[in-house]
Amino acid sequence: DAKTTQPPSMDCAEGRAANLPCNHSTISGNEYVYWYRQIHSQGPQYIIHGLKNNETNEMASLIITEDRKSSTLILPHATLRDTAVYYCIVKGGSNDYKLSFGAGTTVTVRA
Amino acid sequence: SQTIHQWPATLVQPVGSPLSLECTVEGTSNPNLYWYRQAAGRGLQLLFYSVGIGQISSEVPQNLSASRPQDRQFILSSKKLLLSDSGFYLCAWRRTSGKDTQYFGPGTRLTVL
Repeated sequence: DAKTTQPPSMDCAEGRAANLPCNHSTISGNEYVYWYRQIHSQGPQYIIHGLKNNETNEMASLIITEDRKSSTLILPHATLRDTAVYYCIVKGGSNDYKLSFGAGTTVTVRA
Repeated sequence: SQTIHQWPATLVQPVGSPLSLECTVEGTSNPNLYWYRQAAGRGLQLLFYSVGIGQISSEVPQNLSASRPQDRQFILSSKKLLLSDSGFYLCAWRRTSGKDTQYFGPGTRLTVL
């Protein structure tokens, strides 16, 4: 069973913020939310992860709801190079070896 | 800094032929290592992972095997390829302590004809 639900696709205008939703209503207390992206014909790239607090790094921001049942990845100023498949993954702590990739959201940034 | 290499980048093989894909990691020691496969238009499927030399865990029954002869070397093999083995093969590594993030290699695109 998939632990996360994401829309299959979304478009975004270049220079605008892209807000990518993810539902993870069955997340347990010790599980983290991870985001990766995969540009066509490349390996996935780590973006950000969080447990319950909002997180920000040089690539994106992660907003996790208070009940932790959903989250939003924000790309503040999307560029054409941000066109990719974005994966939201729920994962346990360091003792959990695996990342389970679903279908993700195909984000297309348009000029 | 750490880097991960995979080769070859692309490979075309006939059905029934053997396979050997190699992955090496530089700049870290005792990493966890992973093999994933991505069929055309599909998501990533975890095939094998390894927490140390000679330690391999298989996630799905298949026509493939993995070995870890050295700390930073991970090999994916098959004795006889099937058409269904075609896909994009990705190797990844993760630290055993500190930041819990998997880092992926550039991948090998395998076409079995």
